[in-house]
Amino acid sequence: NAGVTQTPKFRILKIGQSMTLQCAQDMNHNYMYWYRQDPGMGLKLIYYSVGAGITDKGEVPNGYNVSRSTTEDFPLRLELAAPSQTSVYFCASSYNRGNQPQHFGDGTRLSIL
Amino acid sequence: GENVEQHPSTLSVQEGDSAVIKCTYSDSASNYFPWYKQELGKRPQLIIDIRSNVGEKKDQRIAVTLNKTAKHFSLHITETQPEDSAVYFCAAALMEYGNKLVFGAGTILRVKS
Repeated sequence: NAGVTQTPKFRILKIGQSMTLQCAQDMNHNYMYWYRQDPGMGLKLIYYSVGAGITDKGEVPNGYNVSRSTTEDFPLRLELAAPSQTSVYFCASSYNRGNQPQHFGDGTRLSIL
Repeated sequence: GENVEQHPSTLSVQEGDSAVIKCTYSDSASNYFPWYKQELGKRPQLIIDIRSNVGEKKDQRIAVTLNKTAKHFSLHITETQPEDSAVYFCAAALMEYGNKLVFGAGTILRVKS
C-alpha cells in the first residue's frame, strides 16, 4: 500500500494564479484532511471530509476549496494565490472517526511569489 | 485558539538523558491523545497514542501518561539518542471540534551527543 500520496512535492506560483494540490489514499479511509504548516509552526486544519460528497471547513478555510467525489481522492484548490498561502500542505486520512490515528502524506511545499 | 497547549517549545538534552514534553487541553470530554514526530522536511509520523480509559502506555523508550482530572498528558523519552532529535507534536480529539484532532504548537527536541 502506498498510504497517502500527495502531488506535486514542490511548486512555485505567481500571485493570482490557481492550482490544485492532489491527495489520494489507498487505505479505504473515510476521513480525509488538509492541513497547512507555516515555518516553525504547528498544523492548522483547512478542510476535512468524512466521506465522499461531504466536506466541511476547518480552522483556516479562506482562499481554499475542496471536493470529495470518491473515497480515495481529496484535492485542494487554491484560487487567486496570495503570498500568505506560502506554506507546506499536508494531506492526512483516518479510518472512520476523528479520534483515530491520522496518516500523513509527504507534503507539498508551495511558494507564492 | 489555544485549545491544546504544548510546553516547552524547545528542549535540549544530553544523549542518554530523559526528555519530557507536556500538553494541556481544554475539553474534558476529549478521549484520544496522539503524539507525532516530525523530522526536518518530512511528514509527521505517529509514535504513540493513548485513549482516555488508560493512564499510561509504553513502547520501548517512549511512554505517554494521561491525567484526565488535570487535563494534561505527557510524552516521556528515556535514554535519548541523536536520532530522537525532531519536532514533536501532541494532539487531542476535542469534542467541541467535532471530535477532530487539534494539534499543539510543537516542541523542538535536540539531543546533544
